[in-house]
Amino acid sequence: KQEVTQIPAALSVPEGENLVLNCSFTDSAIYNLQWFRQDPGKGLTSLLLIQSSQREQTSGRLNASLDKSSGRSTLYIAASQPSDSATYLCAIPSGAGSYQLTFGKGTKLSVIP
Amino acid sequence: NAGVTQTPKFQVLKTGQSMTLQCAQDMNHEYMSWYRQDPGMGLRLIHYSVGAGITDQGEVPNGYNVSRSTTEDFPLRLLSAAPSQTSVYFCASSYFLASGGNEQFFGPGTRLTVL
Repeated sequence: KQEVTQIPAALSVPEGENLVLNCSFTDSAIYNLQWFRQDPGKGLTSLLLIQSSQREQTSGRLNASLDKSSGRSTLYIAASQPSDSATYLCAIPSGAGSYQLTFGKGTKLSVIP
Repeated sequence: NAGVTQTPKFQVLKTGQSMTLQCAQDMNHEYMSWYRQDPGMGLRLIHYSVGAGITDQGEVPNGYNVSRSTTEDFPLRLLSAAPSQTSVYFCASSYFLASGGNEQFFGPGTRLTVL
């Protein structure tokens, strides 16, 4: 059974700092990995999706990488802003051809002005 | 294109009452699912559907019922609400990628309190 871990559970950084959020998974036979953002009291917004054949994906100040062999993905946020404060979740399909997602419990990011 | 919509946004029920949480998507996705999110427990799958007329149970299905009569709609019914069902409920829809994975899109959520 796929297990997804995100460490740390919470992170506080000063504005302008570059930062990395980590996601690790136990089964390297994945098809894709998706990063989400969740603001307090809101739904999940998809940030980036990396397919198994890709090493990284970029969107604006966000860059997500995938290393299947080591069971790790990282989300890099450049020049952090207070508006980046949110909980970031990674999720992986639960099995081969499965629509079901296994989620990490998230990293709560606070960017201090 | 509204994506995934959910109603209501907030609901308070008394123990034993029943209600239906509505979910609709306009992306023509075959797969839809319901999750609940609780502090410390993360997101857990309740029920899912791979197409109209086809539903199946997820990780925490007890106390919930679903049906899928159209591609667009996937309502979640609470049969007899219990305080343990106090949670935030998210509906999602997704499509298969050519590589075999899938991309999921989530609704804004329904915050339910059962007294």
